[in-house]
Amino acid sequence: ETGVTQTPRHLVMGMTNKKSLKCEQHLGHNAMYWYKQSAKKPLELMFVYSLEERVENNSVPSRFSPECPNSSHLFLHLHTLQPEDSALYLCASSQVAGGNTEAFFGQGTRLTVV
Amino acid sequence: DAKTTQPPSMDCAEGRAANLPCNHSTISGNEYVYWYRQIHSQGPQYIIHGLKNNETNEMASLIITEDRKSSTLILPHATLRDTAVYYCIVRVFNTGGFKTIFGAGTRLFVKA
Repeated sequence: ETGVTQTPRHLVMGMTNKKSLKCEQHLGHNAMYWYKQSAKKPLELMFVYSLEERVENNSVPSRFSPECPNSSHLFLHLHTLQPEDSALYLCASSQVAGGNTEAFFGQGTRLTVV
Repeated sequence: DAKTTQPPSMDCAEGRAANLPCNHSTISGNEYVYWYRQIHSQGPQYIIHGLKNNETNEMASLIITEDRKSSTLILPHATLRDTAVYYCIVRVFNTGGFKTIFGAGTRLFVKA
């Protein structure tokens, strides 16, 4: 148990559906992240939130829409996805400042787009 | 882009030490070296980190060269449950703070 909880663990959705991934951290951290891990590829950083403000968007398509209502919660809203968006989506959190702090990861949501 | 390079895979016999190398020749003075591992289809798990001194915890030891351009993660007595992908990461500072950027990692196979 890392203190970062993601729901759901598994999700199957059609290309016309709208769904949301949820992440919650109980660590008092101020930064939260979304990563995407496709089959046989390294983790790709998608979004970074610091103190509830988005500070980085790594050229992610607009069909992925993040939301950070407070420092403990992070959402990833999904709409009109493509089959190639099927992947493991991981949420992480860390302290905002300082390089001397590790990121804690959730168990991920396994997304399948059909 | 990842700032580290690692061998794609390694084998280790159960009970022996696993030594996983990593090159990070462009590391900056304020950047820490982190190691994570990821067991299949789970989230990455933090192992250890360091700046310039060698570090040891209950999971592993981290040896950082004096010039900080490379490091080695040592699992002193590898078990079958240590089979995973091991990521060596330099925590990069950019706008908004530090970020953890992953490379391809090393897939460690521990064999009985």
